[in-house]
Amino acid sequence: AQSVTQLDSQVPVFEEAPVELRCNYSSSVSVYLFWYVQYPNQGLQLLLKYLSGSTLVKGINGFEAEFNKSQTSFHLRKPSVHISDTAEYFCAALKDNAGNMLTFGGGTRLMVKP
Amino acid sequence: DTGVSQDPRHKITKRGQNVTFRCDPISEHNRLYWYRQTLGQGPEFLTYFQNEAQLEKSRLLSDRFSAERPKGSFSTLEIQRTEQGDSAMYLCASSLATEGGYTFGSGTRLTVV
Repeated sequence: AQSVTQLDSQVPVFEEAPVELRCNYSSSVSVYLFWYVQYPNQGLQLLLKYLSGSTLVKGINGFEAEFNKSQTSFHLRKPSVHISDTAEYFCAALKDNAGNMLTFGGGTRLMVKP
Repeated sequence: DTGVSQDPRHKITKRGQNVTFRCDPISEHNRLYWYRQTLGQGPEFLTYFQNEAQLEKSRLLSDRFSAERPKGSFSTLEIQRTEQGDSAMYLCASSLATEGGYTFGSGTRLTVV
């Protein structure tokens, strides 16, 4: 079964510091991978996606993620965070031959401190 | 088109009552999804429509839950005889092509008291 694991439930970091939010997936076939951000009392906004091609994917708000097939990982990074990046971040995967269901990880709360 | 709209944003209901939520997807999107998100968790898939056809349903969707998309445009999610365990954020999303990722609405937060 498809599953997505986000290893850290909370990540505190100081403003302007770099951050990495970890995501691992389990699958025996190719996957499509996504990162979403959720601000309080709002829906999810797509940050970036990996479908194929270059393993380094750039998204909005200065975020990027790297697809690593050998480690089945898709970690999200930002070189310098802002207070406004404080939010919940979700990694998600879509198995390309198992219907149209996105499977989400449990989320990582990024807390940016001044 | 301003994105996926969900109504209402918040709903408080007494246990045992029926509730209905509405989702208006992006107009050119033919796929529509319902997810449920409880506090501190990631969204969980409930059901999926392509046009008016409901193609997939999760085991989470008990017989108290029903979803429709009668004309392939807006969708409704009804919960009958609500229970406290139904308290959650109900998210709707739409897409044109699966690989592109979904566009989510702001959700409907249901509180069952």
